[in-house]
Amino acid sequence: AQSVTQLGSHVSVSEGALVLLRCNYSSSVPPYLFWYVQYPNQGLQLLLKYTTGATLVKGINGFEAEFKKSETSFHLTKPSAHMSDAAEYFCAVSGRGGYNKLIFGAGTRLAVHP
Amino acid sequence: DTEVTQTPKHLVMGMTNKKSLKCEQHMGHRAMYWYKQKAKKPPELMFVYSYEKLSINESVPSRFSPECPNSSLLNLHLHALQPEDSALYLCASSPEGTSGRSDTQYFGPGTRLTVL
Repeated sequence: AQSVTQLGSHVSVSEGALVLLRCNYSSSVPPYLFWYVQYPNQGLQLLLKYTTGATLVKGINGFEAEFKKSETSFHLTKPSAHMSDAAEYFCAVSGRGGYNKLIFGAGTRLAVHP
Repeated sequence: DTEVTQTPKHLVMGMTNKKSLKCEQHMGHRAMYWYKQKAKKPPELMFVYSYEKLSINESVPSRFSPECPNSSLLNLHLHALQPEDSALYLCASSPEGTSGRSDTQYFGPGTRLTVL
């Protein structure tokens, strides 16, 4: 079965500091992994995804994530936080069984302070 | 057009009311989804339509009734809801049918539902 664990329900960083949001997954099939961002009172927006190929994935707004099979991890990073990055971030793995079900982690709320 | 639209943005209803949520996409996507999201929680899948046919029902109570009249439109009919059904209801679509495990799901902004 697939599952996702996001370490840290709340992360706080200073503007300009490194952002690191942690995601570990469990999957019985080769995983497809996603990071979504949700701003207050909005839907989810895809930041990036890993399917196959290059393990370092670059996304929108300066975010990137590295797929590490040996560590079953897909951590999200951004070199320099901006105030506008404050939001809820969800890591997700695509389910098996022949249908496209996203299994989400619990989410990490990122706060950015001046 | 690269977005999923949802109407209304907000909905308040009593437990005896009947209402409907609407979702529309014009990206030619073949799969459409309904999710329920409670405060401070991740989205929970409710229904999936693939090629206009209901593929997945995640054991959702019958007071929620989905409908896919055509490939661009998805409705969620609500009847006799309970206060605990208050949540943000998100619609999403993806290019392939339900076999596309690597497909990106594109989300709408959601309908904030309050049941009194």
